Amino acid sequence: QQQVKQSPQSLIVQKGGISIINCAYENTAFDYFPWYQQFPGKGPALLIAIRPDVSEKKEGRFTISFNKSAKQFSLHIMDSQPGDSATYFCAARTDTGNQFYFGTGTSLTVIP
Amino acid sequence: ETGVTQSPTHLIKTRGQQVTLRCSSQSGHNTVSWYQQALGQGPQFIFQYYREEENGRGNFPPRFSGLQFPNYSSELNVNALELDDSALYLCASSLVPGLETQYFGPGTRLLVL
Repeated sequence: QQQVKQSPQSLIVQKGGISIINCAYENTAFDYFPWYQQFPGKGPALLIAIRPDVSEKKEGRFTISFNKSAKQFSLHIMDSQPGDSATYFCAARTDTGNQFYFGTGTSLTVIP
Repeated sequence: ETGVTQSPTHLIKTRGQQVTLRCSSQSGHNTVSWYQQALGQGPQFIFQYYREEENGRGNFPPRFSGLQFPNYSSELNVNALELDDSALYLCASSLVPGLETQYFGPGTRLLVL
């Protein structure tokens, strides 16, 4: 059973456009929601993260929007650049602090 | 680079064999988690070790086992390999359990034939 559901599976965006990736969860015990970026041949790297008591967090061109009542959160990449082309994973951490559940990933391609 | 290293980078085994994968954590990190990432999927949590003790386990059978050493390097052992064990195996280290930021290594790509 997939604890964190992620969509879309793939995304193609023009340079300068906005990339939006969505995730949904069911487990109300999750207390931390990170997004990871993974390039081919590399491990995932933490991009940005949010806690459920905050509805939005922005870091540079990256913004997380969080809707606690709907159990949904999304990543927005503003002014998308070809260098943003990578696979993005949302994740959620249990409140015991020792287990992360990942979405299935979104392959983002930014066309110059 | 995260400072987390894994070896080997690639490995080919046959069904039924045993394999040991190694991870060297970032300096000062006493917590390591192991993940299995099948092709086209997100990482799945296998288990976590903290101060040489298992500190949580995902939905993986007992033939997946681990060790953490006093220098905080760690091993993932998989016995009786199955074809479905073919995947990228990632380790991630963090300063302490529960700390949000975990640093991933580049992974070991295992192919079981």
